[in-house]
Amino acid sequence: DTGVSQNPRHKITKRGQNVTFRCDPISEHNRLYWYRQTLGQGPEFLTYFQNEAQLEKSRLLSDRFSAERPKGSFSTLEIQRTEQGDSAMYLCASSTSGQGETQYFGPGTRLLVL
Amino acid sequence: QKEVEQDPGPLSVPEGAIVSLNCTYSNSAFQYFMWYRQYSRKGPELLMYTYSSGNKEDGRFTAQVDKSSKYISLFIRDSQPSDSATYLCAMSAGSNYQLIWGAGTKLIIKP
Repeated sequence: DTGVSQNPRHKITKRGQNVTFRCDPISEHNRLYWYRQTLGQGPEFLTYFQNEAQLEKSRLLSDRFSAERPKGSFSTLEIQRTEQGDSAMYLCASSTSGQGETQYFGPGTRLLVL
Repeated sequence: QKEVEQDPGPLSVPEGAIVSLNCTYSNSAFQYFMWYRQYSRKGPELLMYTYSSGNKEDGRFTAQVDKSSKYISLFIRDSQPSDSATYLCAMSAGSNYQLIWGAGTKLIIKP
């Protein structure tokens, strides 16, 4: 498999619970991005890694959100104390340094908070 | 006002028609322009990537960038029902990795 993969594909949780999503980028890509997308909107940038370093976080990323990329390969996005407003598609993308604009996306994780 | 404006549609055309999709933007620093296709409940798929102004063609798809008018277009020739999807424009400034997105245009190709 040469594409970006994300797990789980779907997650239903109750308000107040914690959830964690995983992203496996294309193997030779050193940049990894997380986005959130709601219905009828384009993706909104959340955060970005180059190798294991988290270089940028959007103002959209509240303290309840945390992302890691411990070995510069896969990444996890955790949402603590989920709220109904967190319901969205969470997208991961990866790219090669020097061609940062050519981002390749995974299938996304659809989160529903009840 | 959003940095990138895109008509959400839906745009419905018969099979075989030429489709024109457009985005306008306000930030003159944008240099990299992309079109992504997104099927329902899937991640965006990169279709076209253009640097600065000009045209780029790939099969049935042509991307145009007019930086003087801050206007980009995607043309689809000989449209097929399988082209039915949401088309998103995205752009960035220089080496800035952060993409700024349009809201997407839903395209429906009728057989």
